[in-house]
Amino acid sequence: SQELEQSPQSLIVQEGKNLTINCTSSKTLYGLYWYKQKYGEGLIFLMMLQKGGEEKSHEKITAKLDEKKQQSSLHITASQPSHAGIYLCGADMYGTGNQFYFGTGTSLTVIP
Amino acid sequence: SQTIHQWPATLVQPVGSPLSLECTVEGTSNPNLYWYRQAAGRGLQLLFYSVGIGQISSEVPQNLSASRPQDRQFILSSKKLLLSDSGFYLCAWSVHVGVNTEAFFGQGTRLTVV
Repeated sequence: SQELEQSPQSLIVQEGKNLTINCTSSKTLYGLYWYKQKYGEGLIFLMMLQKGGEEKSHEKITAKLDEKKQQSSLHITASQPSHAGIYLCGADMYGTGNQFYFGTGTSLTVIP
Repeated sequence: SQTIHQWPATLVQPVGSPLSLECTVEGTSNPNLYWYRQAAGRGLQLLFYSVGIGQISSEVPQNLSASRPQDRQFILSSKKLLLSDSGFYLCAWSVHVGVNTEAFFGQGTRLTVV
């Protein structure tokens, strides 16, 4: 079973459009992390959310952690080709010991 | 500072040959260590997870094995590579720091089995 589910699995948007990626956990999240990656390269840390209702922004990327702390959304405003890549959520969850989980990934393509 | 070293960066191996990918961590102790595989354009598939020396959990049955001979060393191996073993392999570690968990990835190894 997958502890962290991301949706959609892949996304193709036209440049300038907004988009949202979701990360849903099977357990209450203690900390939620968002990463960006290009295939064949390492991961780039974007931001970390810990408190229910917390919202953080990095340039045109905004992430929220819902109040019940079992879902996070990543929103990109006015997408650009430079936003293309694979977005991964990672989480530390209650009741899972020390294991850190990663989501299934969302592949984003931005068409100029 | 905490760093993670993964090598080699790229590898081309013939079918049936052995494999050894190494990952070492610096600047922390008793980290949880992970091996992931990634297919092009896809997310991460957890292969192995280790909470301590000699403790390995396997998430998927396959042609690969992992070992942790030292606290900060994690090795991914195969006795005989298959074509389907090609992919991008990432090592990662996580550790609790206070109330948070920090996770970091290596730069990955692109493996091509020919």
